[in-house]
Amino acid sequence: AQRVTQPEKLLSVFKGAPVELKCNYSYSGSPELFWYVQYSRQRLQLLLRHISRESIKGFTADLNKGETSFHLKKPFAQEEDSAMYYCALKDRDDKIIFGKGTRLHILP
Amino acid sequence: DSGVTQTPKHLITATGQRVTLRCSPRSGDLSVYWYQQSLDQGLQFLIQYYNGEERAKGNILERFSAQQFPDLHSELNLSSLELGDSALYFCASSPGFTGGLAATDTQYFGPGTRLTVL
Repeated sequence: AQRVTQPEKLLSVFKGAPVELKCNYSYSGSPELFWYVQYSRQRLQLLLRHISRESIKGFTADLNKGETSFHLKKPFAQEEDSAMYYCALKDRDDKIIFGKGTRLHILP
Repeated sequence: DSGVTQTPKHLITATGQRVTLRCSPRSGDLSVYWYQQSLDQGLQFLIQYYNGEERAKGNILERFSAQQFPDLHSELNLSSLELGDSALYFCASSPGFTGGLAATDTQYFGPGTRLTVL
C-alpha cells in the first residue's frame, strides 16, 4: 500500500543547528515527492518538489530510492523555520498521500 | 494570499445533517483538490477535479460527493454527518494536471473550512 511516514511528530532544534525532517515512503514505482509547509496562521504551501531539485529557504531534499526516503534538510536552522512540515507523495494516478506532519520548533 | 477562497470559514451542525462546502480556485486554475485534515488521520486527499471532470479519487467516503461547475468553482457535499467527520476541510487549486512534471502542478491551498459535528 502507498504510504508516507514522518516518524517525528515534533522536532526541536536550536537556532543555527542542522535540521533534518525525516520522510519515508512506500510506493511501487517512481513517485513524485513534495514537501509542504504551514507556518502559524498561514495556509499550507509548497516548499519544494524532488523533480525540481531546488533549494528553497535553504532547505533541500534528496530522493533516495534505495532507502525510499525524501528527508528534508537545512544546514543552519533559523527561528522563522518553525512550522508544520508535511511530506507528500503523488502517484501515477494523481492521487496524493500526505504524511502526518512534523512540527519543527526552533529554539533560540 | 494564494487566491483560493473557501466558504464558510466555520460550520457547526448536528449528526445526520448534510452540508455543502464551497471553494473558488485561483483565477485561471483548472484543477481543484479537496482534503480533510483531522487530528488522528492527518491530511487526507479526498478528490480532484480538472476542468469539470473527476480526475483522481482518494479516501473519500460514499457519504461525500463533490463537483466542479462550469465556472470552475467546486462544492464538497457531506451527508449523514457523523461525529468523526469533524475536521478541517481544505481546497487547493492548480493550473492543471501535467503528470507531475511541470511547474503547473503546484497546488495553492485555501484557508479551509472548519466543520464541527455535534
